[in-house]
Amino acid sequence: QQQVKQSPQSLIVQKGGISIINCAYENTAFDYFPWYQQFPGKGPALLIAIRPDVSEKKEGRFTISFNKSAKQFSLHIMDSQPGDSATYFCAASRAGSNYKLTFGKGTLLTVNP
Amino acid sequence: GAGVSQSPSNKVTEKGKDVELRCDPISGHTALYWYRQSLGQGLEFLIYFQGNSAPDKSGLPSDRFSAERTGGSVSTLTIQRTQQEDSAVYLCASSLLRAGTAGNTIYFGEGSWLTVV
Repeated sequence: QQQVKQSPQSLIVQKGGISIINCAYENTAFDYFPWYQQFPGKGPALLIAIRPDVSEKKEGRFTISFNKSAKQFSLHIMDSQPGDSATYFCAASRAGSNYKLTFGKGTLLTVNP
Repeated sequence: GAGVSQSPSNKVTEKGKDVELRCDPISGHTALYWYRQSLGQGLEFLIYFQGNSAPDKSGLPSDRFSAERTGGSVSTLTIQRTQQEDSAVYLCASSLLRAGTAGNTIYFGEGSWLTVV
């Protein structure tokens, strides 16, 4: 049972465009939703995270949109740059077990110059 | 070092052999995590250590897998009688605070790439 479904599997965007990655979850007990960025040969790095008490969080060019009723959240990368090319993972965890992140399968983002 | 350090970075082993993977967390970090990343899959939780508390081992896939953390610092993940399906990148992570604490950030190492032939 895949508790966090991520789409698309891969995404190609032109420089300056908007990259959008979507995730849907099933467990209503989830209360923490981070996004991780991973470059080849490196470990994942926390990009931005949100809790369900807000519907949107923005940090620089990165924005998380959260829809609690639909059990969906998405990552928007504005003004996408070639340096943003990486694999992005959404994840979720529940209170009391925030160490046990459930990850999506990842989205390979390629930003063409 | 400044980050989470893992060794070996790459390991090729024969089916049936035992392997040990080592993790040096960031100095002072109380929480330590092991995850596994298989080709084309997301990350899968394996085990969590927090201070002197009993670890949460609920993610270990079989009794061939075990992990320990000595002195609240270095951790070793051991896989006995390795199988081909164990081939994956094993990622260690650490955080300063207990998981779930506001503002806590989990830092991942670069992983140990295990190939079982």
